[in-house]
Amino acid sequence: GEDVEQSLFLSVREGDSSVINCTYTDSSSTYLYWYKQEPGAGLQLLTYIFSNMDMKQDQRLTVLLNKKDKHLSLRIADTQTGDSAIYFCAEKRANDYKLSFGAGTTVTVRA
Amino acid sequence: KAGVTQTPRYLIKTRGQQVTLSCSPISGHRSVSWYQQTPGQGLQFLFEYFSETQRNKGNFPGRFSGRQFSNSRSEMNVSTLELGDSALYLCASSRYGGDQETQYFGPGTRLLVL
Repeated sequence: GEDVEQSLFLSVREGDSSVINCTYTDSSSTYLYWYKQEPGAGLQLLTYIFSNMDMKQDQRLTVLLNKKDKHLSLRIADTQTGDSAIYFCAEKRANDYKLSFGAGTTVTVRA
Repeated sequence: KAGVTQTPRYLIKTRGQQVTLSCSPISGHRSVSWYQQTPGQGLQFLFEYFSETQRNKGNFPGRFSGRQFSNSRSEMNVSTLELGDSALYLCASSRYGGDQETQYFGPGTRLLVL
């Protein structure tokens, strides 16, 4: 099974906020990432947070990190139809060259 | 600055054949990683190269191999293809692959094995 867990589906109305949640298991994780994948495409880096931070805001995106609970969330404000995609949470552990991904959350934006 | 490029974008092979996929990292990036994405297993790490050396390998059979050239371009090879090798193969690059670096992904090569 995966070390990084995410809920699989999220449906949100256009204009509302979306919140995607993720839990990870390795306390040595240095960076935590959010990637977006649209149909038939590769992974697009959305944002990332360093493990010693609690929050990071980047335009419509807000990342919250609770290191004690190993919980990461991505909030998308004013969700648009173009935000419909699969969102992956990933962790990078100290001294490890790879990323460990969650299964991805499919976000569907309805009008 | 150009992003990570992968060729070919699509490939159809039959069981038993072999295939070679290519990845050109972002200019100045020397670390290249490969991932396999399937509906059943999700995104799984294959291997990572830096300065022509494999530094880390995921849990895949020996049919999966790779290499990196002196210009940091990387290839991965899959021999004796099986139906289960059908997947999207993603390549990612970063400058050194270090703890405080971000990996940037290419568009992927979609492999279909018949």
